[in-house]
Amino acid sequence: SQQGEEDPQALSIQEGENATMNCSYKTSINNLQWYRQNSGRGLVHLILIRSNEREKHSGRLRVTLDTSKKSSSLLITASRAADTASYFCATDAWGAGNMLTFGGGTRLMVKP
Amino acid sequence: EPEVTQTPSHQVTQMGQEVILRCVPISNHLYFYWYRQILGQKVEFLVSFYNNEISEKSEIFDDQFSVERPDGSNFTLKIRSTKLEDSAMYFCASSEVRLSSSYNSPLHFGNGTRLTVT
Repeated sequence: SQQGEEDPQALSIQEGENATMNCSYKTSINNLQWYRQNSGRGLVHLILIRSNEREKHSGRLRVTLDTSKKSSSLLITASRAADTASYFCATDAWGAGNMLTFGGGTRLMVKP
Repeated sequence: EPEVTQTPSHQVTQMGQEVILRCVPISNHLYFYWYRQILGQKVEFLVSFYNNEISEKSEIFDDQFSVERPDGSNFTLKIRSTKLEDSAMYFCASSEVRLSSSYNSPLHFGNGTRLTVT
């Protein structure tokens, strides 16, 4: 089964606007993480939210988690051109062992 | 800030050849991983490694793949006989603790090795 599917697949906004990306998953999780990937580069960890948490903030990032709906959202406020990247959610699924399962990602383009 | 380093950044090989992708994880990390990303697709888990043993592996990680920590710093992925469909970006990652630990435990990724099999 697919674990960690993002929508939208692509998002284009103007600088200063907020960007919201959603992630759905299928199994119970220990935690959910969001990563960012600039083109051709490695993934950079942004934020981790545990299964018993509902919301977490880090700078301009806000992550929510709804375990009843098995979904999470990543909000980037006051976006900048430098936020242009792909964003992936990744789940540490209960009982799956020491591994993360990544979603397909959202490609965000922030136009200056 | 310490980082995971991978070499080479790009490897071109012919089908059937063996390749070894190299990684130097962050020095105080104990858990090591390989992931791959076929162009335009999602990041896929290959294997996790702890205490000189494979702890988890995916269906992708068949007998053609092996991992090794030959010394105290390097972590390698070997593909014994490459196929065209092995062409992908291969990412090494490390973490200080197990993912489901009570401590925050993100993965730290290298910048990847782009493997092209011709």
